[in-house]
Amino acid sequence: DTEVTQTPKHLVMGMTNKKSLKCEQHMGHRAMYWYKQKAKKPPELMFVYSYEKLSINESVPSRFSPECPNSSLLNLHLHALQPEDSALYLCASSPSDSSNEKLFFGSGTQLSVL
Amino acid sequence: SQQGEEDPQALSIQEGENATMNCSYKTSINNLQWYRQNSGRGLVHLILIRSNEREKHSGRLRVTLDTSKKSGSLLITASRAADTASYFCATHGDTGRRALTFGSGTRLQVQP
Repeated sequence: DTEVTQTPKHLVMGMTNKKSLKCEQHMGHRAMYWYKQKAKKPPELMFVYSYEKLSINESVPSRFSPECPNSSLLNLHLHALQPEDSALYLCASSPSDSSNEKLFFGSGTQLSVL
Repeated sequence: SQQGEEDPQALSIQEGENATMNCSYKTSINNLQWYRQNSGRGLVHLILIRSNEREKHSGRLRVTLDTSKKSGSLLITASRAADTASYFCATHGDTGRRALTFGSGTRLQVQP
């Protein structure tokens, strides 16, 4: 299994809602990532987990809360989002967080905040 | 923050032609990676070239790296309509930053 699975594929939420994005991989990878991508822009790093510990937080607002319950799962909890948070949220994994690793990406969750 | 800049931003060619995309970056790197993204989908890793390599081939892909100029390139030969996608270069810095940073991307359109 060489897939990174993200659910849901699409999400529409109001600014007062609480929702969660989920990401799962069964490749035994120990590094997992959240990226945010606006239309026609490159992905921007949000968070990195290495061995289930948060290793990088790119000064992301607290309305985004990551969670890594185990080595296969990565969640992104959303609360009180703003319309400008609408974007494609991409999860990725790699065997480790070494700089020589390539990333495996999920298909993303297209989020719309109304 | 964005590490790399790519040019051109957009490229339209006919099937069978070659497509060249360039990437420039700011800091020293361990390697340069290239990814492809079909519209609204996840990214797929294409090829990685290390800082001690100058050129690498994989099928119809050829990548180069010039660390003295802090630049690299991706060449797709004999392009096909199915190559239509966005292409991103990506780097890890060599200062221990353990995450990929992506360039601005090139949108390639291959006309059948």
